[in-house]
Amino acid sequence: EQLMESGGGLVQPGGSLRLSCAASGFTFSSYWIHWVRQIPGKGLIWVSRINGDGSRTAYADSVKGRFTISRDNAKSTLHLQMDSLRAEDTGLYYCVRDGVLVGRTAFDIWGQGTLVTVSS
Amino acid sequence: DIQMTQSPSSLPASVGDRVTITCRASQTIASFLNWYQQKPGKAPKLLIFDASNLQSGVPSRFSGSGSGTDFTLTINSLQPDDFATYYCQQSYHTPYTFGQGTKLQIK
Repeated sequence: EQLMESGGGLVQPGGSLRLSCAASGFTFSSYWIHWVRQIPGKGLIWVSRINGDGSRTAYADSVKGRFTISRDNAKSTLHLQMDSLRAEDTGLYYCVRDGVLVGRTAFDIWGQGTLVTVSS
Repeated sequence: DIQMTQSPSSLPASVGDRVTITCRASQTIASFLNWYQQKPGKAPKLLIFDASNLQSGVPSRFSGSGSGTDFTLTINSLQPDDFATYYCQQSYHTPYTFGQGTKLQIK
């Protein structure tokens, strides 16, 4: 069971990036998946989530209207479209599986993270 | 948003010690509380979910307790591998906020 992020990089303020997360080893469509950000050496910030069939999403207020989470279950892939990027969006973005109990949220599988740096 | 406050921020301890980390929520969250361990350069690892349930594969020296607003993570008989940073997280309501972390350090 594995998640692997890609798509991070250096972008100027106001720019866009599209992160991807490839899942393997489990039935991807059965799980809610989230994005969590961490500034290296600092704490963890929940960013967004999406349910198994992609019909329900939620976002942190700080990214609402700028970020869009989506998934392609046929390809076992999650995406995060990040527009109008700001310096405060900088960090390591983890793709995480929500997988311990129905009706509970806990992040049992984490990717290795992909680094996003927003700077001029 | 629900604020999560951990104490202490850093905790010096020795191998074999029993340590306790506390986490307080700014409002009641029933038992919707998870604990994670993070080592430098690695992703966090789920230890405890739903306040007191040990995640599969996690050693039994880790335990969690609490409900409402006050929670604890206890590690019995510290092992060298346990020196890391620990985070609590509420899963009661989005945004799923984390505590600021407790760094468990070798004394």
